[in-house]
Amino acid sequence: RKEVEQDPGPFNVPEGATVAFNCTYSNSASQSFFWYRQDCRKEPKLLMSVYSSGNEDGRFTAQLNRASQYISLLIRDSKLSDSATYLCVVNTNAGKSTFGDGTTLTVKP
Amino acid sequence: GAGVSQSPRYKVAKRGQDVALRCDPISGHVSLFWYQQALGQGPEFLTYFQNEAQLDKSGLPSDRFFAERPEGSVSTLKIQRTQQEDSAVYLCASSPVGGSRSYNSPLHFGNGTRLTVT
Repeated sequence: RKEVEQDPGPFNVPEGATVAFNCTYSNSASQSFFWYRQDCRKEPKLLMSVYSSGNEDGRFTAQLNRASQYISLLIRDSKLSDSATYLCVVNTNAGKSTFGDGTTLTVKP
Repeated sequence: GAGVSQSPRYKVAKRGQDVALRCDPISGHVSLFWYQQALGQGPEFLTYFQNEAQLDKSGLPSDRFFAERPEGSVSTLKIQRTQQEDSAVYLCASSPVGGSRSYNSPLHFGNGTRLTVT
């Protein structure tokens, strides 16, 4: 079992839809949490950090449930440009980020 | 503004050849990481440097893989006697902090080296 697990999708949604991705992690000592976005044949780029109290950045909302070891990402009012793979990332030991395999989103007109 | 730079962008090697992949991190970044990403999967951790010290090499898949960062800036990942299963994208990332604060710092990735072993 992988340390960080994500539903691979693909999620195919129309423009304007709301879509949610989930991620679970197995190491209870995990310290910090992130969502990265990766476009096809490109490098991962930080989308947002995830804080215990939950946080929002425009159309994106991230939630963390430490008790359930669960992280979520909600995208409202989806745009065509949101089409990408979304990677859940968990940092445990100093200096090591563990990535999930990603959830692929396709937003269609 | 220079980001993380990796070279070559693409590398085709015949099985059994040695390859060297270069990473030039963002200037002043203390931490440097190498990841391996196979098609359809997330990046898998290979190794981590804080300045010139290799603090974690637990992800290197075999003793054919070797990484160094001798002056605490540029890093090289070397793969000896390449095998087909080594075919992947090799990503380098850097972070401005190290030590106990590094877990809270996101990574800045280069655009990777796509290695194909034939």
